[in-house]
Amino acid sequence: TQLLEQSPQFLSIQEGENLTVYCNSSSVFSSLQWYRQEPGEGPVLLVTVVTGGEVKKLKRLTFQFGDARKDSSLHITAAQPGDTGLYLCAGDPLGGTSYGKLTFGQGTILTVHP
Amino acid sequence: KAGVTQTPRYLIKTRGQQVTLSCSPISGHRSVSWYQQTPGQGLQFLFEYFSETQRNKGNFPGRFSGRQFSNSRSEMNVSTLELGDSALYLCASNEGLLNEQFFGPGTRLTVL
Repeated sequence: TQLLEQSPQFLSIQEGENLTVYCNSSSVFSSLQWYRQEPGEGPVLLVTVVTGGEVKKLKRLTFQFGDARKDSSLHITAAQPGDTGLYLCAGDPLGGTSYGKLTFGQGTILTVHP
Repeated sequence: KAGVTQTPRYLIKTRGQQVTLSCSPISGHRSVSWYQQTPGQGLQFLFEYFSETQRNKGNFPGRFSGRQFSNSRSEMNVSTLELGDSALYLCASNEGLLNEQFFGPGTRLTVL
């Protein structure tokens, strides 16, 4: 069974601070996705990283896929209260034949205080 | 395009009953997956349907079943409900690229 360990589990910071969320596994993934979920809603896809060593930027969010495709990180610069939510990483183990099955990390609950 | 819709949004049932949840995927998406989300276990994959065929399933008991219709709409059924089935049930659709899932808002099921 492939597992994704996400850390930290909780993060409470002040507006303007930077933060990094980590997602680690002993298994190789075909791709890795990051989602954000707000209370009462389903997860929303932020980004997909596919190539080992890949870095993607989405405004103040920077996503990195490890060289060995076993780990990933999400870095937020100058966090804002609107960034508050549950951040989830999800690994796709098999690519084209995963047929919907993603392995999710336990999530990081981020709270940004004004 | 309209997003994934799920009905009902909230449901309260008692142990032993059965329940059916419904999901309409994004127009043009033929793959529909179901996930269970609980505080303790996080998001766990239930099953995936494509063109009315189940292509993949997770490690859940046979009480959990699903189906997909010719218009790609999907339903999942849970029979003989147990207290531990209380969870947020999420439906997601996918257009076949990179297994990227587009989730609906979920159905919050409470079993008393």
